[in-house]
Amino acid sequence: NAGVTQTPKFRILKIGQSMTLQCTQDMNHNYMYWYRQDPGMGLKLIYYSVGAGITDKGEVPNGYNVSRSTTEDFPLRLELAAPSQTSVYFCASTSQGFEQFFGPGTRLTVL
Amino acid sequence: SQKIEQNSEALNIQEGKTATLTCNYTNYSPAYLQWYRQDPGRGPVFLLLIRENEKEKRKERLKVTFDTTLKQSLFHITASQPADSATYLCALFLEYGNKLVFGAGTILRVKS
Repeated sequence: NAGVTQTPKFRILKIGQSMTLQCTQDMNHNYMYWYRQDPGMGLKLIYYSVGAGITDKGEVPNGYNVSRSTTEDFPLRLELAAPSQTSVYFCASTSQGFEQFFGPGTRLTVL
Repeated sequence: SQKIEQNSEALNIQEGKTATLTCNYTNYSPAYLQWYRQDPGRGPVFLLLIRENEKEKRKERLKVTFDTTLKQSLFHITASQPADSATYLCALFLEYGNKLVFGAGTILRVKS
């Protein structure tokens, strides 16, 4: 099992550009999550999904969109990137809402 | 307002000693609480889970307590080693939406 994989590992965007952060898990988990982590801060939930076709907003959803067409994939879309979206993004998954398995993260800089 | 707080300052201890990290929360009613370890440049890794009806949980050199009256969890690492140096995050599980709310984490440094 590869677990949770994320691509890309690093990315630099210009203000106003768009991009999609990819997240894939091979553990057949129903629940998937996107977090952002700013320096010295905890993880903030952006969006989450309890199954294919179902998504919901977390604590900080503005400026982001998600989709969940399959159990395995949960891409995060940034439209019109802003400097405030400079952060490290983590994707996670779980089967029953207990232990969450995290990906290695994507470090995004918006200049 | 809802808050989850961990020691904001780094905890520096000598190898072999017991490290104790604190997690306090207000205006939450978590079904259970989790602790994660995060190394620099990596995603968090699950360590332990304790339910609201459990007072204490142990796993090897790790011990977690959970006091729902005080709204506090303590995380202990006994016989600490330099390899235990990392950031430790506590997280509250909210049943609605199966979500976790994370604290900011405490940096632990174990010196040999």
